[in-house]
Amino acid sequence: AIQLTQSPSSLSASIGDRVTITCRASQGISSALAWYQQKPGKTPKLLIYDASSMESGVPSRFSGSGSGTDFTLTISSLQPEDFATYYCQHFKSYPYTFGQGTKLEIK
Amino acid sequence: QVQLVQSGAEVKKPGSSVKVSCKASGGTFSSYNFSWVRQAPGQRLEWMGVVIPILGTATSAQEFRGRVKISADESASTAFMELSSLRSEDTAVYYCVSEYCRGGSCYPNWGQGTLVTVSA
Repeated sequence: AIQLTQSPSSLSASIGDRVTITCRASQGISSALAWYQQKPGKTPKLLIYDASSMESGVPSRFSGSGSGTDFTLTISSLQPEDFATYYCQHFKSYPYTFGQGTKLEIK
Repeated sequence: QVQLVQSGAEVKKPGSSVKVSCKASGGTFSSYNFSWVRQAPGQRLEWMGVVIPILGTATSAQEFRGRVKISADESASTAFMELSSLRSEDTAVYYCVSEYCRGGSCYPNWGQGTLVTVSA
């Protein structure tokens, strides 16, 4: 099974900061990767699919990049509503595993 | 995109089984694959398995094999996940996810989740 490793596992940042979260796959997955945002008690919200395609309605401060084994999610200027947990998931082959999550907290 | 509505919360005894449904509307059912993902309290997301209605096949993650049955009824536009031999560690929110996959590109869409509580 393909493993996804996110880093960091947690991150403290301030409003207005630029933040980057990394997801590394144990083998190449082309661009078959999605990023989600999850707030406590809520369903994960799709932000990015196919590594860099933005879901409709997602603010433009979110962007995704990468292909192969290394991927990043970038938030260009943190807003109060962005403090949440972020997950990556691949769609290359079954099982469609998830990263362990990155918890983004207010500094 | 297809809209997904899952069945309601369940409370089960250890050793019993639970069956969660996921009804799709607003799209062609056989155009999608349906995965099931769960999340135990405070834990990460965990992919359980998938049904591919157009092929009539299903597969599950190694850790659930022998305990999970994932299926679909195309006539009812509904996917199902049945988990047996329940234990307290199976207490979680179970999500149905439709996946529209073409040529290496996959677009996921999540249901609202179903809380399953396993308690004596």
